[in-house]
Amino acid sequence: DIQMTQSPSSLSASVGDRVTITCRASQGISNYLAWYQQKPGKVPKLLIYGASTLQSGVPSRFSGSGSGTDFALTISSLQPEDVATYYCQKCDSVPYTFGPGTKVDIK
Amino acid sequence: EVHLLESGGGLVQPGGSLRLSCEASGFTSSTHARSWVRQAPGKGLEWVSRISASGDTTDYADSVRGRFTISRDNSKNTVHLQMNSLTVEDTAVYYCVIRMATPQGYDYWGQGTLVTVSS
Repeated sequence: DIQMTQSPSSLSASVGDRVTITCRASQGISNYLAWYQQKPGKVPKLLIYGASTLQSGVPSRFSGSGSGTDFALTISSLQPEDVATYYCQKCDSVPYTFGPGTKVDIK
Repeated sequence: EVHLLESGGGLVQPGGSLRLSCEASGFTSSTHARSWVRQAPGKGLEWVSRISASGDTTDYADSVRGRFTISRDNSKNTVHLQMNSLTVEDTAVYYCVIRMATPQGYDYWGQGTLVTVSS
């Protein structure tokens, strides 16, 4: 099965900073990748699908990029409400494995 | 409005069984595949199982294959997860999820039901 990794596992940044989280698949998955945001105590929320398509209602400061094995989620200007754990998920074929998550805090 | 409501969680001893259910409302779920995702306390998300719209095809994570069975009753817009031979590693919040309006990813999640396996 294809394995998903994320880096870093956690980060702390200041409000207004540009933040980038990377996700790597052990084999190519084209653009079949989704990103989720899970705020503390809440249900995960779909942010991006197709590696770069923003889900309806998601702020434009979020963006996704990549294809094949290497992907990135970028927050252009970190806001206090962005404190959360972010997960990538492969969506090409089962099992639809999630990455281990990246916890984002405010410095 | 799309709504997914899980039920059936609770405390069970190791080796025991539990049946989770997820009732969908606000749409006709018989045209959509249905899935389960779980999250152990303080841990990440784990994809568990999927059933096709017709119910003909089922898929499982390696960690649950042979112990869990997913099924659906389209007349009741409901999907079930029968969990047997439970171990402490199965302790988690189980989310019912669906891909409704996007080509990839799960755009709708239930609130989750907690399964605790403990003696």
